[in-house]
Amino acid sequence: DTAVSQTPKYLVTQMGNDKSIKCEQNLGHDTMYWYKQDSKKFLKIMFSYNNKELIINETVPNRFSPKSPDKAHLNLHINSLELGDSAVYFCASSQQGGSGVIYEQYFGPGTRLTVT
Amino acid sequence: DQQVKQNSPSLSVQEGRISILNCDYTNSMFDYFLWYKKYPAEGPTFLISISSIKDKNEDGRFTVFLNKSAKHLSLHIVPSQPGDSAVYFCAASSRGSGNTPLVFGKGTRLSVIA
Repeated sequence: DTAVSQTPKYLVTQMGNDKSIKCEQNLGHDTMYWYKQDSKKFLKIMFSYNNKELIINETVPNRFSPKSPDKAHLNLHINSLELGDSAVYFCASSQQGGSGVIYEQYFGPGTRLTVT
Repeated sequence: DQQVKQNSPSLSVQEGRISILNCDYTNSMFDYFLWYKKYPAEGPTFLISISSIKDKNEDGRFTVFLNKSAKHLSLHIVPSQPGDSAVYFCAASSRGSGNTPLVFGKGTRLSVIA
């Protein structure tokens, strides 16, 4: 009974292609995130959506376009893939409390993207 | 510019002994701290958290200590078990500032030897 799921788990593609990664959470959370873990192993926030609205966009190239069709889904579309996009991408979700406080985040298993 | 630092990339501990993982931060606006555990090919799993109004939080074998003046926190695991072998990430946020993202350290790989 997976709480946060991502598809695909592995994605190998060539430079210049366009690809999408899907994320779904069944925890009833209202906030979802995309993180990137690069070769140096840092986990960095890319985007955050609250109730389908973009609330955080951490200077990610506009080749990356998140889309949240509903509170339970946050997909990531990447155009014109580059070698430097190779990384593990993690989706996460959390519940926002009163006064904008955000509680613990729950992560998906990750999608390992390899651009050749 | 690393705002959250885990200076030990790895740590080996014998089963039954205490594991101490350390984390330092530079941003004085951080007021909420979390530890995540990550197994290979899985996403990080929330372990324990602490608010800046406390200096200690305990959950079973796991205790987190916060020293605000030193901008330092540590995770103690007692007794350590082989299943605790994983990468541990320290994370911080400014909950008082609303929707600020979690800032993660680079992680410490813990190996518990039977």
